[in-house]
Amino acid sequence: KAGVTQTPRYLIKTRGQQVTLSCSPISGHRSVSWYQQTPGQGLQFLFEYFSETQRNKGNFPGRFSGRQFSNSRSEMNVSTLELGDSALYLCASQSSNEKLFFGSGTQLSVL
Amino acid sequence: LAKTTQPISMDSYEGQEVNITCSHNNIATNDYITWYQQFPSQGPRFIIQGYKTKVTNEVASLFIPADRKSSTLSLPRVSLSDTAVYYCLVGPFSSNTGKLIFGQGTTLQVKP
Repeated sequence: KAGVTQTPRYLIKTRGQQVTLSCSPISGHRSVSWYQQTPGQGLQFLFEYFSETQRNKGNFPGRFSGRQFSNSRSEMNVSTLELGDSALYLCASQSSNEKLFFGSGTQLSVL
Repeated sequence: LAKTTQPISMDSYEGQEVNITCSHNNIATNDYITWYQQFPSQGPRFIIQGYKTKVTNEVASLFIPADRKSSTLSLPRVSLSDTAVYYCLVGPFSSNTGKLIFGQGTTLQVKP
């Protein structure tokens, strides 16, 4: 069974730009969560989608948004990028026994 | 979700047993204890989960005392490849959510 796939693996953007990250969950998993990881703040929950609906949301500004498609694939978008948005963005899908399986992440650098 | 406290870092040598203790004084009755492992530039990986007493799998053991206010992750005979950050999380098993609260984790450094 393939794991959680995130694309792209690395991304370099400049301030003010926007970015879209993609996540393909494990087949059969309907929940997809997004996390931001930085050296200073650690792992922080962004939001979760289940059956194309946002089920939970963390404490991030509205510049961070996401969506989920009918095939459970998810995208997250960050608009008007700031230097502080440089981070590893992780996606996780949830199994029926509620364990989370994480992808390898997208390393975003904002210059 | 209950707050957890664990050592920031630990050192060990290859072949030794490593025990990482996590404190969770405010654990609720329906909370489970879950440990994740994370290597640099990778997502966390599930290691083990338990509710009380002892749980063992092919990777680790989890010891939980009767009061459940702490737990200990035990890694037998560590190798260099066990160098990673280990996170202790506490939350309801059937939380019906992909939202996890990660603390600072414990950075384990295994030396030859």
